[in-house]
Amino acid sequence: EPEVTQTPSHQVTQMGQEVILRCVPISNHLYFYWYRQILGQKVEFLVSFYNNEISEKSEIFDDQFSVERPDGSNFTLKIRSTKLEDSAMYFCASSEAGTGYGYTFGSGTRLTVV
Amino acid sequence: DAKTTQPTSMDCAEGRAANLPCNHSTISGNEYVYWYRQIHSQGPQYIIHGLKNNETNEMASLIITEDRKSSTLILPHATLRDTAVYYCIVVEWGAQKLVFGQGTRLTINP
Repeated sequence: EPEVTQTPSHQVTQMGQEVILRCVPISNHLYFYWYRQILGQKVEFLVSFYNNEISEKSEIFDDQFSVERPDGSNFTLKIRSTKLEDSAMYFCASSEAGTGYGYTFGSGTRLTVV
Repeated sequence: DAKTTQPTSMDCAEGRAANLPCNHSTISGNEYVYWYRQIHSQGPQYIIHGLKNNETNEMASLIITEDRKSSTLILPHATLRDTAVYYCIVVEWGAQKLVFGQGTRLTINP
């Protein structure tokens, strides 16, 4: 069964550093998403991406965040200057044709900011 | 905010049917009911969705009341691997995001 692959599985970074979280969505999917989950809290939407542009973003997705699809297979989330409160699990997801058809989520990257 | 209400936790014996309720009394006509689950700290996993008719797939059945204000996810023969947090989510077709609530923590007991 096709999978969404995320790397690394765990990243530790110093506060103020930039991090890039990487995702390889399912190959024929057209919609891409990032969600995050702070330990013990709800899964929260960050951003959706379609046709090489952001289609929707949440209030959490401020200027320190950016997304990119640098080639035909990768989808990245960049956090420019990490803060302690950015520590969370970050999940990438993809969908063949939008929310209505169900997402496939990756297994996540655990980001720890120290 | 999530538009659904679910019990915080439930228990079920292995091999029995697990019935997870969800209230969505403010659902509108173009909104679908989706169920996802999250096993431990893994990414959420899509289970099933429906609009107004009952649905069944290889994982579960979804029963939606006639007034669409509530639904029940049924895992027909629960196994230990079904222990997870189950999320009921109401979303408009074509929406760009899912809004997760706290879900129901289902524990399958041997």
